[in-house]
Amino acid sequence: DTGVSQNPRHKITKRGQNVTFRCDPISEHNRLYWYRQTLGQGPEFLTYFQNEAQLEKSRLLSDRFSAERPKGSFSTLEIQRTEQGDSAMYLCASSLEGIRDYGYTFGSGTRLTVV
Amino acid sequence: DQQVKQNSPSLSVQEGRISILNCDYTNSMFDYFLWYKKYPAEGPTFLISISSIKDKNEDGRFTVFLNKSAKHLSLHIVPSQPGDSAVYFCAAITQGGSEKLVFGKGMKLTVNP
Repeated sequence: DTGVSQNPRHKITKRGQNVTFRCDPISEHNRLYWYRQTLGQGPEFLTYFQNEAQLEKSRLLSDRFSAERPKGSFSTLEIQRTEQGDSAMYLCASSLEGIRDYGYTFGSGTRLTVV
Repeated sequence: DQQVKQNSPSLSVQEGRISILNCDYTNSMFDYFLWYKKYPAEGPTFLISISSIKDKNEDGRFTVFLNKSAKHLSLHIVPSQPGDSAVYFCAAITQGGSEKLVFGKGMKLTVNP
């Protein structure tokens, strides 16, 4: 297992365009998380899935953002009508139970630049 | 509203010495605290955690201390090594089954050979 995989690594898009990112978690992990990190800040929680069910969503996840995990395996995060403020690193993580003792495993992220 | 605060943006220490990274929090509902390390172009990597019912947890060169009354925790790295140079994030999780981690802004540690 190669860990949590995120694609693409980098994405440059024009303001107003839609973008979609993909995350492939560690295969036996049933929990999947999306975070956003801007320059000089720590990661900020966006949403969490247990299997295919989306159980928590942050108020940061505006109606332009949607996340899916259709079969409880990979997940996609879509941003519609991108804005310059959406420029950030988007991090995906996965875990089994016991995150308090073992944390999440993060991927390397997708860096989005909106021009 | 920063619930988890890492007030020092950077720290520089000599190889072999102790590194002490500090973190303060404001939310009394946090029941677990975690430290992550991040190298450039990689995602954060879990280091160590501590429950709010403990005051110390140790794993090899890494020890985390929790002072619940002061809402303060610290990560000690002894001895520090050049490979420890990275950004370190303090994070907390709320009791009650939440899966959401609340991160501080991070601190850049540089260990000089």
